This record gives sequence, C-alpha cells and structure tokens, in this order.
Amino acid sequence: DAKTTQPNSMESNEEEPVHLPCNHSTISGTDYIHWYRQLPSQGPEYVIHGLTSNVNNRMASLAIAEDRKSSTLILHRATLRDAAVYYCILRDVERDYGQNFVFGPGTRLSVLP
Amino acid sequence: NAGVTQTPKFRVLKTGQSMTLLCAQDMNHEYMYWYRQDPGMGLRLIHYSVGEGTTAKGEVPDGYNVSRLKKQNFLLGLESAAPSQTSVYFCASSWRGESYNEQFFGPGTRLTVL
Repeated sequence: DAKTTQPNSMESNEEEPVHLPCNHSTISGTDYIHWYRQLPSQGPEYVIHGLTSNVNNRMASLAIAEDRKSSTLILHRATLRDAAVYYCILRDVERDYGQNFVFGPGTRLSVLP
Repeated sequence: NAGVTQTPKFRVLKTGQSMTLLCAQDMNHEYMYWYRQDPGMGLRLIHYSVGEGTTAKGEVPDGYNVSRLKKQNFLLGLESAAPSQTSVYFCASSWRGESYNEQFFGPGTRLTVL
C-alpha cells in the first residue's frame, strides 16, 4: 500500500506562510493526494486534493513535485484557527474504491500569536 | 444544510451494555463510513456502506454491527460494550467512492466504557 510520511509537528507564526510537507515515494500513477485537517475536538475536514498539477482553493494551495513523490500543503497566511492536525492521504480508485481514507498520525501545526 | 450529524455527542456505558450511534446526512450521498479515533492516533475505519441496504467491513469491525436501512442514515451498534471500545467515533459520507471524492465528517461521539 502506498504510504505517506509527515513530520510529527510544526510551528508557525500568525500571518506567516506555512509549508507542510508530505513524502509519498511509493505513490502510484492513479493515486490522488488528499489533505484533511482536524481542529481540536472536531471531525476532520477536507482541505484540498490533487493528482498531478498544483491546485489552489480558498483554503490552501497544494504543490505536487514533478515526480509526485512528495507534495506540500501551503497555507498562505496562518491564523490561530489553522492550528490543527493535518493529514496527507493517498487514495487510488483501483485499490480503495468505496473504502476508507487511511489516516496516519498527521502533522500537528501550532500557530503562535 | 446540516451536513453530517451524529447523536449522541457523549455517552458513558458500563461493560456489557449495548447502544446504537446514529449518523444522518442530508447531502444525498451514496457512501457512508464509521471511523474510530483513539487518543493521539489517526482514524480507523470500522464499517462502511456503498448504498442503501448494503454494508461492508473496514479495518476494525469486530464488536460492531451496522445498518443502512435508509440512504440518509447509518447506524453503528455495540451489542456488548467493552472498555477497549472507549473512543471517539466519527461518521462520514461521500457522494460516491471515486478517488477524488471528498469525505464529509460529523462532529463525533465520545464514548466511554467503564
């Protein structure tokens, strides 16, 4: 199974950009890269996903390496509300159709005022 | 839209008691999921459903049963609760199961089994 590796924790200052890395060296050509985050005492929420090209939405940007073996979630201006655990997840329709997202331990982001 | 809702929010059981957790979604999603999350860990899939009347086992199904009698509801049952089932339970739903579909999560049910 394709797996992801993320740092256990990161810190950022408020209103500064944050780059959250994820390594997925065994990614397959059909794996989508998903990012979710979990705020304290809440359920996970979708952040962004992509396949090959970089993606932007109102919450964040996703930068995918050309060889797809790593990706970076970019929060352009961190706020206190962005303090959460961020999960990088691979999903492949051939392997995972209808089944779960595999949530690893994720990266705990702390935002300092 | 309420999204995904879960009842109850908190529950304390004694060993051997039974209970049912209810998940409801108002987004007309085909797929629904039950996860558990233990302290400091990621989520693990218990059971899931790809449509009304169908269910399937996930990663950690032992000790749980599920039913999907109506498209909008997914019930998780504990027939004889054990302390090892103390956890936070999350329900989720998605439009379908394709790789690019996002999952929408409920707020969770915190269950303690004494």
